[in-house]
Amino acid sequence: NAGVMQNPRHLVRRRGQEARLRCSPMKGHSHVYWYRQLPEEGLKFMVYLQKENIIDESGMPKERFSAEFPKEGPSILRIQQVVRGDSAAYFCASSPARDGNTEAFFGQGTRLTVV
Amino acid sequence: AQSVTQPDIHITVSEGASLELRCNYSYGATPYLFWYVQSPGQGLQLLLKYFSGDTLVQGIKGFEAEFKRSQSSFNLRKPSVHWSDAAEYFCAVGAGGGADGLTFGKGTHLIIQP
Repeated sequence: NAGVMQNPRHLVRRRGQEARLRCSPMKGHSHVYWYRQLPEEGLKFMVYLQKENIIDESGMPKERFSAEFPKEGPSILRIQQVVRGDSAAYFCASSPARDGNTEAFFGQGTRLTVV
Repeated sequence: AQSVTQPDIHITVSEGASLELRCNYSYGATPYLFWYVQSPGQGLQLLLKYFSGDTLVQGIKGFEAEFKRSQSSFNLRKPSVHWSDAAEYFCAVGAGGGADGLTFGKGTHLIIQP
């Protein structure tokens, strides 16, 4: 069973371009979470999705950022019109459920650099 | 609002020595507490978690942590560190399982001296 797969591992975008980050959860996992890690900081929660539904987006910036988890295919975190401040590592995690004993598994992250 | 404080940004320990990484949290209800480890360029791996029950929890790689409600702490310990333990360690607090809305500390960078 492969782990959580994120691609690309590294992404370079010019200011104003769009960035698309992909996350394929572990097999059997229908819950996906996105986190952002700024340099010298811990991870910050962005959004929690469960197949085709956004459950909690309390950590998502109000503009330019969106996330989806379609019925088929990976979860996508989309950043429109990127700015230098969007440069960070973006991590995805997945879990089969969300009860108290459920462990979430993290991917290796996508490191976005905006130039 | 929930928060996590890891007071030590860097810790240097000799190989074979004991280790304790500190974590203090602020949370309004019964917390779910986690310790993760991140090796350079890698994702996070769960070391251990506390949901309820015994306040001393055992994790992988020989790590353990003790939940102390009175001190709002969840310190991570290991009796004898190995060079492969060098990594970034994150403490996190949340409202449940999975990874919804976890609040992470800024991390402690562990350096192992030969």
